[in-house]
Amino acid sequence: GESVGLHLPTLSVQEGDNSIINCAYSNSASDYFIWYKQESGKGPQFIIDIRSNMDKRQGQRVTVLLNKTVKHLSLQIAATQPGDSAVYFCAEINTGFQKLVFGTGTRLLVSP
Amino acid sequence: NAGVTQTPKFQVLKTGQSMTLQCAQDMNHNSMYWYRQDPGMGLRLIYYSASEGTTDKGEVPNGYNVSRLNKREFSLRLESAAPSQTSVYFCASSELSGRVGGDTQYFGPGTRLTVL
Repeated sequence: GESVGLHLPTLSVQEGDNSIINCAYSNSASDYFIWYKQESGKGPQFIIDIRSNMDKRQGQRVTVLLNKTVKHLSLQIAATQPGDSAVYFCAEINTGFQKLVFGTGTRLLVSP
Repeated sequence: NAGVTQTPKFQVLKTGQSMTLQCAQDMNHNSMYWYRQDPGMGLRLIYYSASEGTTDKGEVPNGYNVSRLNKREFSLRLESAAPSQTSVYFCASSELSGRVGGDTQYFGPGTRLTVL
């Protein structure tokens, strides 16, 4: 079956460091991927997305990398700030059903 | 724009009681979704509505019903609440127009439901 999962449940970094959050997916037919950030007590917030015809996309302080060969997705956050502390989810679109499949999430803890 | 709004924010029910969770979006999106989020389980799709007038089951539909009242509103009903339905419920919407980025789902703030 298809699944989206994360390698690390918790990632602790120092303020100013770069953070890398990883995600593996198993459905090679997925063609669209999204990273969400969820702060405590709030709903998931869109961060950045990438389509399967790309291998890199950059936003403000964030970069998403897609490696289709090994079915791996990563989110890089530059100069991590305390406000980046949250749970980060990757999600893939289930081709043909337009339904997102979410991973269980990685908690990012940023200490001053 | 308020985006996606949900009511209520918190609710406590007794086993067997019924209630309806309300969701509305002001982004003129075609598709709307209901998820539940449990610790360690991530987000699981309950029901979705690809367009006004249609609804379909997601991964965990048992014990729930939905109504797509109009393009803006999508409600989730628990007819006879059970403790297993204690969870945080999120509504989401997406444009789903075929445009690049149209698949992105935008989420509401959630409803925290406890069933005793």
